Amino acid sequence: NAGVTQTPKFRILKIGQSMTLQCAQDMNHNYMYWYRQDPGMGLKLIYYSVGAGITDKGEVPNGYNVSRSTTEDFPLRLELAAPSQTSVYFCASRDRGRRNTEAFFGQGTRLTVV
Amino acid sequence: TQLLEQSPQFLSIQEGENLTVYCNSSSVFSSLQWYRQEPGEGPVLLVTVVTGGEVKKLKRLTFQFGDARKDSSLHITAAQPGDTGLYLCAGALDSGSARQLTFGSGTQLTVLP
Repeated sequence: NAGVTQTPKFRILKIGQSMTLQCAQDMNHNYMYWYRQDPGMGLKLIYYSVGAGITDKGEVPNGYNVSRSTTEDFPLRLELAAPSQTSVYFCASRDRGRRNTEAFFGQGTRLTVV
Repeated sequence: TQLLEQSPQFLSIQEGENLTVYCNSSSVFSSLQWYRQEPGEGPVLLVTVVTGGEVKKLKRLTFQFGDARKDSSLHITAAQPGDTGLYLCAGALDSGSARQLTFGSGTQLTVLP
């Protein structure tokens, strides 16, 4: 079972470059999330989506953009990479309908901006 | 400012000891979850608590949701090296969008053999 798949697993960017982090889920979940995690810390919410065509900002959206054209895919775009965006990025999805549903996570993308 | 504050941030104990991790907020949550994360992996759900005062047990782990649904605790009895990991609490707010899942600052637990 695939669950939540993130690509790439690792990436090094130069300052000012752009890239898209891919996230796909095969569980037909409506809710999807992007988090960033700095070393030894918790997860900070960047953006989330409650369904195709609907996205909302989280705690730390500056410097990022998202789109949700299908239920399965939720890519995260970095337009002008900065060293402050060096982090591990996690995509997650969960079912809607009940507030206490389990979030399933991808394995993360480790991004370094130099 | 973190919506969910966890304490302690780091905890290193000997095998066999007991420990408690706390998750606190000034906001009311419709539910709180506890996740465990191992290096190089995404978090994995341990438990969900939804009712104020609720206590759930998972083998040597005991989870409690505060009466006012603003805080939670995780107690581990007789810790083992396999319990080592980053423990995260996560909550869905009671007001506004319950769809936004917010995580705490994390507790890094190391259990030494």
